[in-house]
Amino acid sequence: AQKVTQAQTEISVVEKEDVTLDCVYETRDTTYYLFWYKQPPSGELVFLIRRNSFDEQNEISGRYSWNFQKSTSSFNFTITASQVVDSAVYFCALSDRSNDYKLSFGAGTTVTVRA
Amino acid sequence: SAVISQKPSRDICQRGTSLTIQCQVDSQVTMMFWYRQQPGQSLTLIATANQGSEATYESGFVIDKFPISRPNLTFSTLTVSNMSPEDSSIYLCSARFEGKDTFGSGTRLTVV
Repeated sequence: AQKVTQAQTEISVVEKEDVTLDCVYETRDTTYYLFWYKQPPSGELVFLIRRNSFDEQNEISGRYSWNFQKSTSSFNFTITASQVVDSAVYFCALSDRSNDYKLSFGAGTTVTVRA
Repeated sequence: SAVISQKPSRDICQRGTSLTIQCQVDSQVTMMFWYRQQPGQSLTLIATANQGSEATYESGFVIDKFPISRPNLTFSTLTVSNMSPEDSSIYLCSARFEGKDTFGSGTRLTVV
């Protein structure tokens, strides 16, 4: 069963536009962790954020912000004032007890920022 | 966070041969993982590399095809055996340190 759904396959924006990436997860555990990773064209996977299930506070880090809503099982990611360097594939991932806390990745969303 | 050195970064191999990928972590970590990322796809977990015991493989992956070693808490290898063009993928290792999974830079494998 799909545990992490990233419904958006590709998003294309013009530089300085905001872009929001959706992530919906599924778990029966009360303790779990959510992650966002970035994979630029060079291929490495870059950690962006980890959020545990007991902390619903939204977070802002520079131009990045995350909106965690347990009521809708969503953990959305917004890039404000996008830049060309933000062009990458972004993966949402879930880690929960039912899977021995191994990471389950969504399909990824390809973001292209045009100058 | 931990830093992982993965090599080779890329290789082109003949079908029927084997390739061993190495990952070195700069800190001692309990959990290391190996993933495959087929072109244009997400990451699929191959196995968890356990120090001092056999790796734990996910459904669809077997030890004969993907033997894994974990001789200590900072090092692991993945071998892709008897390769075919379908094995062309990016292979990534990761290590869990302080609750965060850090990834190696990946190995781009092309089998011809």
